[in-house]
Amino acid sequence: GAVVSQHPSWVICKSGTSVKIECRSLDFQATTMFWYRQFPKQSLMLMATSNEGSKATYEQGVEKDKFLINHASLTLSTLTVTSAHPEDSSFYICSARDSLYNEQFFGPGTRLTVL
Amino acid sequence: GNSVTQMEGPVTLSEEAFLTINCTYTATGYPSLFWYVQYPGEGLQLLLKATKADDKGSNKGFEATYRKETTSFHLEKGSVQVSDSAVYFCALSDYGGSQGNLIFGKGTKLSVKP
Repeated sequence: GAVVSQHPSWVICKSGTSVKIECRSLDFQATTMFWYRQFPKQSLMLMATSNEGSKATYEQGVEKDKFLINHASLTLSTLTVTSAHPEDSSFYICSARDSLYNEQFFGPGTRLTVL
Repeated sequence: GNSVTQMEGPVTLSEEAFLTINCTYTATGYPSLFWYVQYPGEGLQLLLKATKADDKGSNKGFEATYRKETTSFHLEKGSVQVSDSAVYFCALSDYGGSQGNLIFGKGTKLSVKP
């Protein structure tokens, strides 16, 4: 099946720094990628939807200036957490939607810990 | 708004036991329903889906039937294996058969003991 990778798989950073997370579709092109956030024992919450070559659409309550999303190509989307704070510590998961079968394929997630 | 409610976990079963994980939903229109599985250290994988009422999705011995009258999509397996240990997520999409804007339940962790 289709594979989506995320890098890094985990990251620890200091408060106030910025962290970039990459999401790549390895063997298919994805015009749409999604970014989710998952708290312990909680559901996945959609943060934003990004379409290649256009601005991301953010869900209500998600700060677009804090969570910068760039979908520069059909196989790569990045999420940058700017000026990270401890409350941003979470598990971030991306998914990429296959254009042909209209199915979402999920990455393994990135665990962010902000000290 | 649309939402998904699934049973709280964790669920611990012995190998070859029968599994049911309940899932109910609230949605306007006619959503598609999905079960995803997340094995330790891996991303979510689509387990099965149903796109209209009375459809039954099935895969790897798991089944779920889209019940519009009870707004449910319960996951069942007749005989679980240790390798089924994972977190299971029920989800819906209100984009017909496509998987735009999935709404997830909280997930149910299943542990199967030998």
